[in-house]
Amino acid sequence: EADIYQTPRYLVIGTGKKITLECSQTMGHDKMYWYQQDPGMELHLIHYSYGVNSTEKGDLSSESTVSRIRTEHFPLTLESARPSHTSQYLCASTPTDRVGEKLFFGSGTQLSVL
Amino acid sequence: GENVEQHPSTLSVQEGDSAVIKCTYSDSASNYFPWYKQELGKGPQLIIDIRSNVGEKKDQRIAVTLNKTAKHFSLHITETQPEDSAVYFCAASGGGFQKLVFGTGTRLLVSP
Repeated sequence: EADIYQTPRYLVIGTGKKITLECSQTMGHDKMYWYQQDPGMELHLIHYSYGVNSTEKGDLSSESTVSRIRTEHFPLTLESARPSHTSQYLCASTPTDRVGEKLFFGSGTQLSVL
Repeated sequence: GENVEQHPSTLSVQEGDSAVIKCTYSDSASNYFPWYKQELGKGPQLIIDIRSNVGEKKDQRIAVTLNKTAKHFSLHITETQPEDSAVYFCAASGGGFQKLVFGTGTRLLVSP
């Protein structure tokens, strides 16, 4: 079992609220990722980090922001949530970026914005 | 950039039957092809992967085949069991997880 944790598991909020989705891993992995999963199941990379103080945007444009102050923690923030942000958000990590390395996923946060 | 197409989107089989899921990719530079299984309420988990220098790989009841010329790869599950029911994703990458592109997913249902 992967030691990567996401909280909350489910979140229902109103439009305009600021939210932070938490992601923590206890494996000491440098590389961390945030994926957005459509209701139609597709996985899209929205943010990634190669280590402390490193953050990059993924292929799918997102209004969310991330930070990486500690190796084990990679939170995602939405300053003003909108219904279009309703989705499942999955956090993942890997020890290296080598070909063949396994992505360890958390169980996800299902976000619903009313 | 890379584009990965996956078929079928849903697949229903009887327990004990075989299941095959097919993916095609567009970037000839891609050299790593993993398959992930996502059970209800969980994140995806790697079940098998293949690199471009290998044509086939097996792990018990699951196998993956790769045809580089045609740019397609497939997941084969034999003797399916109800616990195989899940969503399966193929993916392709030419280097680094920031370049890993997932297919659209296949929902597999195995009926007892």
